[in-house]
Amino acid sequence: DAGVIQSPRHEVTEMGQEVTLRCKPISGHDYLFWYRQTMMRGLELLIYFNNNVPIDDSGMPEDRFSAKMPNASFSTLKIQPSEPRDSAVYFCASSLAGGLEQYFGPGTRLTVT
Amino acid sequence: GENVEQHPSTLSVQEGDSAVIKCTYSDSASNYFPWYKQELGKGPQLIIDIRSNVGEKKDQRIAVTLNKTAKHFSLHITETQPEDSAVYFCAASKGNQFYFGTGTSLTVIP
Repeated sequence: DAGVIQSPRHEVTEMGQEVTLRCKPISGHDYLFWYRQTMMRGLELLIYFNNNVPIDDSGMPEDRFSAKMPNASFSTLKIQPSEPRDSAVYFCASSLAGGLEQYFGPGTRLTVT
Repeated sequence: GENVEQHPSTLSVQEGDSAVIKCTYSDSASNYFPWYKQELGKGPQLIIDIRSNVGEKKDQRIAVTLNKTAKHFSLHITETQPEDSAVYFCAASKGNQFYFGTGTSLTVIP
């Protein structure tokens, strides 16, 4: 089993640029979660999907952040325009129906200069 | 919302000793409590979990206990090994949203 796949693993960009993070959940999982991890705020849930439909996006910090899940095997998290305070590690996780036992991907380390 | 507190923030033990990490939660409706291990440069890995209808769960050297009345749960690692060194996170949930603790950095000294 390949597990949750995220790309890129590292992203360095300049302030104002658009950033797109990608995630492929574990095959057969119905739920997909996007988290952000920083030293100051720890692990925060940004948004989650069930069967490709966004269920709760209350954790998305600003309108600059958007997420999509066009099909069961792919999701994107986009930041436009990016700011230095967006620098963090972004994780994608997936789980089977019921939303328990979330399995995390390796993360994308984003640096905005 | 839920508030999860985790202690200690750092923990050093000698190889072979036991390690205990404690978490408290605020929402009595929370009913699922997973523990994750995160190694440097990797994503959190689920190592054990417990549901609110169970008081204790064990998996080899790892055990978790839950006290619903006091609203706290603990991770116990026995016979620690250097490869147990990592950051450990607890979480509480009552649905699909997890609320994570702030993490415990465990160092096992050979």
